[in-house]
Amino acid sequence: AQSVAQPEDQVNVAEGNPLTVKCTYSVSGNPYLFWYVQYPNRGLQFLLKYITGDNLVKGSYGFEAEFNKSQTSFHLKKPSALVSDSALYFCAVRDRGDYKLSFGAGTTVTVRA
Amino acid sequence: DTGVSQDPRHKITKRGQNVTFRCDPISEHNRLYWYRQTLGQGPEFLTYFQNEAQLEKSRLLSDRFSAERPKGSFSTLEIQRTEQGDSAMYLCASSHRQGRDEQFFGPGTRLTVL
Repeated sequence: AQSVAQPEDQVNVAEGNPLTVKCTYSVSGNPYLFWYVQYPNRGLQFLLKYITGDNLVKGSYGFEAEFNKSQTSFHLKKPSALVSDSALYFCAVRDRGDYKLSFGAGTTVTVRA
Repeated sequence: DTGVSQDPRHKITKRGQNVTFRCDPISEHNRLYWYRQTLGQGPEFLTYFQNEAQLEKSRLLSDRFSAERPKGSFSTLEIQRTEQGDSAMYLCASSHRQGRDEQFFGPGTRLTVL
């Protein structure tokens, strides 16, 4: 079984400040981890993934995420948030032996000017 | 546009009617997935195709739901005798044959059952 927890429903930050969106996961084997962003009335847009190797993964639009195996976490970060980063963010996991993704409930990010 | 496309984008139907949604994946992708997303939740897996073969179905997919991918290209998802609880966003995604590849999602079809 695989699952994802996003402990914060909402994250509010000021423009220019660091942004962190938290994610913890559970899988029976080794994980593939993903972050997606969803804008209103749009589909999910891929941001970044962890497959293997370096624990710090860099993705689109200046986002990065750090894989921590001991804490089973994959937090999304951006050093300096923009108003345009305001959206709904989903963390997802799948076991390496599987194809389906399991998503968290999502975190709404609001960046105020 | 070479992304995943879905049709229609919105569907309003009365309870008991049948509906069918279409998904066109990215052309070189041989894997296709259907997910369902309800308000305030993340997407939930429904079913998965590799080429034309349906390899996995979620327990969420009741007997009223059927999905096909007849030629390994586009896919259809049909819901028979719709119920109000079927109201949701239905998302299609595709991925390349490499197991590590991310899934690319379409814009979704929003179903409202009255």
